[in-house]
Amino acid sequence: DGGITQSPKYLFRKEGQNVTLSCEQNLNHDAMYWYRQDPGQGLRLIYYSQIVNDFQKGDIAEGYSVSREKKESFPLTVTSAQKNPTAFYLCASRPGLAYNEQFFGPGTRLTVL
Amino acid sequence: KQEVTQIPAALSVPEGENLVLNCSFTDSAIYNLQWFRQDPGKGLTSLLLIQSSQREQTSGRLNASLDKSSGRSTLYIAASQPGDSATYLCAVQNYGGATNKLIFGTGTLLAVQP
Repeated sequence: DGGITQSPKYLFRKEGQNVTLSCEQNLNHDAMYWYRQDPGQGLRLIYYSQIVNDFQKGDIAEGYSVSREKKESFPLTVTSAQKNPTAFYLCASRPGLAYNEQFFGPGTRLTVL
Repeated sequence: KQEVTQIPAALSVPEGENLVLNCSFTDSAIYNLQWFRQDPGKGLTSLLLIQSSQREQTSGRLNASLDKSSGRSTLYIAASQPGDSATYLCAVQNYGGATNKLIFGTGTLLAVQP
């Protein structure tokens, strides 16, 4: 089965902890993205990566970090510096520069206790 | 700065009715526009992608139109069914930049009553 997987589906974090959200794709897509979704707001871009070993900040990168060591994996770490991390996090991928449609994973809901 | 608006925020219709969802954007220099469906607690499913050079795209009972000059797109759903109940999001991609970033509206929550 080809697609984008995110784990875990639900994640609980205590204040002051760092947590890492997993995103894996077996679609051989070059570009990957992390978005955050809050109630009543549209999705907002956190980080993106066009190729392996390269990534760029999006609109709301503060308090987050990423890595792109493998083409199929783009994990997101939510650090203790993120002041309001409770949200629904969505990972997406895109085949390449010549193809613009983005495909999304099932999401991870993060709750800070 | 590009802003995307979707009206109405929520819509309830009886089964079988044809309906139109609206999406407007402030900067007409878009590369494409994409419509998504999101079920509660789930990820986004891509429905239709319209390139800036196109006026409409169709998939089954769905038809999306694009009028760049007026900054508007509509998603037409024919013969609605209870299974169409979901949140519908539109997103635009602007020209320029390396991100291919999508700028999203806040969505329309659709309920189709049996």
